[in-house]
Amino acid sequence: AQSVTQLDSHVSVSEGTPVLLRCNYSSSYSPSLFWYVQHPNKGLQLLLKYTSAATLVKGINGFEAEFKKSETSFHLTKPSAHMSDAAEYFCVVSDRDTNAGKSTFGDGTTLTVKP
Amino acid sequence: DAGITQSPRYKITETGRQVTLMCHQTWSHSYMFWYRQDLGHGLRLIYYSAAADITDKGEVPDGYVVSRSKTENFPLTLESATRSQTSVYFCASGPTSFSYNEQFFGPGTRLTVL
Repeated sequence: AQSVTQLDSHVSVSEGTPVLLRCNYSSSYSPSLFWYVQHPNKGLQLLLKYTSAATLVKGINGFEAEFKKSETSFHLTKPSAHMSDAAEYFCVVSDRDTNAGKSTFGDGTTLTVKP
Repeated sequence: DAGITQSPRYKITETGRQVTLMCHQTWSHSYMFWYRQDLGHGLRLIYYSAAADITDKGEVPDGYVVSRSKTENFPLTLESATRSQTSVYFCASGPTSFSYNEQFFGPGTRLTVL
């Protein structure tokens, strides 16, 4: 079984300050983990993914995430927020050894960036 | 144009009517997926397909039917629409098992059932 919990439904930051979006997961097997971003009225776009290589994963637009097995976490960070980062962010987990093709999405975190 | 497209982008229908949402991808990806997005629920998998003529249920398949006669198309049919099926529907595709690769999402179809 797999599940994912995004710990904050809304996060608000000022432009130029750090961003932290928190994600905890549960997986019976070795997980693949993803972060997607969704801008208003748009489809989802992949930010980054973890698939058992380096635990610190770098993505697009300056985002990165660290896979911490002991904490079952995959938090998304960015050193300095930009106005264009305002969007909905989804953490996704997929068990690599079972249920090929199935994945579980978190409920999403809305990021607001204040000028 | 290369990519994944959905049609229609917006649809209003009435309870009890049949509705088909279309999804087309030009990458020849093996896997295709249908999700629905509702406030407070993130995205939930309705059905997915590993190849032409191979489909399987996801988390919330009741009330939906899919088919995949060609690799590039994956239509989703609501046989008798209900108000609870009002949602935004996303189609996605991926080259292999999702466990190892990202999915590529379409722009979505906003469906309203009156």
